[in-house]
Amino acid sequence: AQSVTQLDSQVPVFEEAPVELRCNYSSSVSVYLFWYVQYPNQGLQLLLKYLSGSTLVESINGFEAEFNKSQTSFHLRKPSVHISDTAEYFCAVSSRGSEKLVFGKGTKLTVNP
Amino acid sequence: GAGVSQTPSNKVTEKGKYVELRCDPISGHTALYWYRQSLGQGPEFLIYFQGTGAADDSGLPNDRFFAVRPEGSVSTLKIQRTERGDSAVYLCASSEAGGSYNEQFFGPGTRLTVL
Repeated sequence: AQSVTQLDSQVPVFEEAPVELRCNYSSSVSVYLFWYVQYPNQGLQLLLKYLSGSTLVESINGFEAEFNKSQTSFHLRKPSVHISDTAEYFCAVSSRGSEKLVFGKGTKLTVNP
Repeated sequence: GAGVSQTPSNKVTEKGKYVELRCDPISGHTALYWYRQSLGQGPEFLIYFQGTGAADDSGLPNDRFFAVRPEGSVSTLKIQRTERGDSAVYLCASSEAGGSYNEQFFGPGTRLTVL
């Protein structure tokens, strides 16, 4: 069975500071990895995904995540956050042959001025 | 274009009652998913439809939960004899063709409260 662990339930940071949101997964098969974001009063949106190839993936708004197979991690990073990045971030995993996404519990990122 | 829509946005019911939650996927999307998100948790998979058929219902917690998609578009999640533990946000998602690598587009959810 697959599982996802997001170690930090809440991460407060100041504007323009760097941030890392941690995600570890467990799976016995090859996986696809996703980060979804939920802004206040909005639905879940895909932020970025790793399917294959380059282990470093980027989003259009400056986030990046690196797939590390040996550490079974897919941490999300941004070198300089904005107030508008305040949201809840969910890491998710799926595998070939299984349609479902398995989500972590989420990390609430709060960016303070 | 229009995204995934869900109705109602909020539903309050009493223990033991029957409820139906509706999902309108993005037009043309053949795959449809239901998830449940309890307070402080991530979304939890319930059921997946490819077209009209339920291809994976392994996440349905018990036989009080049932979902249909009779014409391969709109889906209804039905909960019989509701219990307080059913209180959660029920999320619907759709994707173009299924496949675990494809992006799932989520609706805003229906918040169900069972009193």
